Amino acid sequence: DAMVIQNPRYQVTQFGKPVTLSCSQTLNHNVMYWYQQKSSQAPKLLFHYYDKDFNNEADTPDNFQSRRPNTSFCFLDIRSPGLGDAAMYLCATSRPNRAGEQYFGPGTRLTVT
Amino acid sequence: AQSVTQLDSHVSVSEGTPVLLRCNYSSSYSPSLFWYVQHPNKGLQLLLKYTSAATLVKGINGFEAEFKKSETSFHLTKPSAHMSDAAEYFCVVSRSPGGYNKLIFGAGTRLAVHP
Repeated sequence: DAMVIQNPRYQVTQFGKPVTLSCSQTLNHNVMYWYQQKSSQAPKLLFHYYDKDFNNEADTPDNFQSRRPNTSFCFLDIRSPGLGDAAMYLCATSRPNRAGEQYFGPGTRLTVT
Repeated sequence: AQSVTQLDSHVSVSEGTPVLLRCNYSSSYSPSLFWYVQHPNKGLQLLLKYTSAATLVKGINGFEAEFKKSETSFHLTKPSAHMSDAAEYFCVVSRSPGGYNKLIFGAGTRLAVHP
């Protein structure tokens, strides 16, 4: 089945230690998104790629970076995690111009100690 | 500007009784509206969508929603709740600048289903 896969499902990192979360998709969608979701809140868009074009949300901290080496993979890098970065990180994909139909992965829950 | 307001943060129903999750929207033009569901520790799944076709939209797992322009509402309903429906539900409006879909989420409604 076509899907969005996130690894790992659970990640523990230390305060200030860089961490990378990964996302892959078999849907061949042009657009990939990263969201941050804190407990009991709605997901918050961090950035997205349209093909190789990177689009950062205005309020996304510089501490968060992303890479998309090819259509299938996208990475979220947190350069110096703080305690406030503990959250669920969701990857999603969509086709261009398909209003609102995003396909989400299961998420990576990040704990910062 | 577009926004959605989910009127209830928590809804509790008994198994087998109807479900109503309320959502109002604000949009300066004809909106695209969606309901997403999120089960505990899982990603979001699209339940149903409204994109200016039929105003009564049927989705997965027996859910449906009715777009009412006069009331600016898009409430989610299900005739008979099942234990597996317990989850967080998000009402979403979408705008599509430049070919990608920016989702604007409501705050979410947590649905509890009791035996």
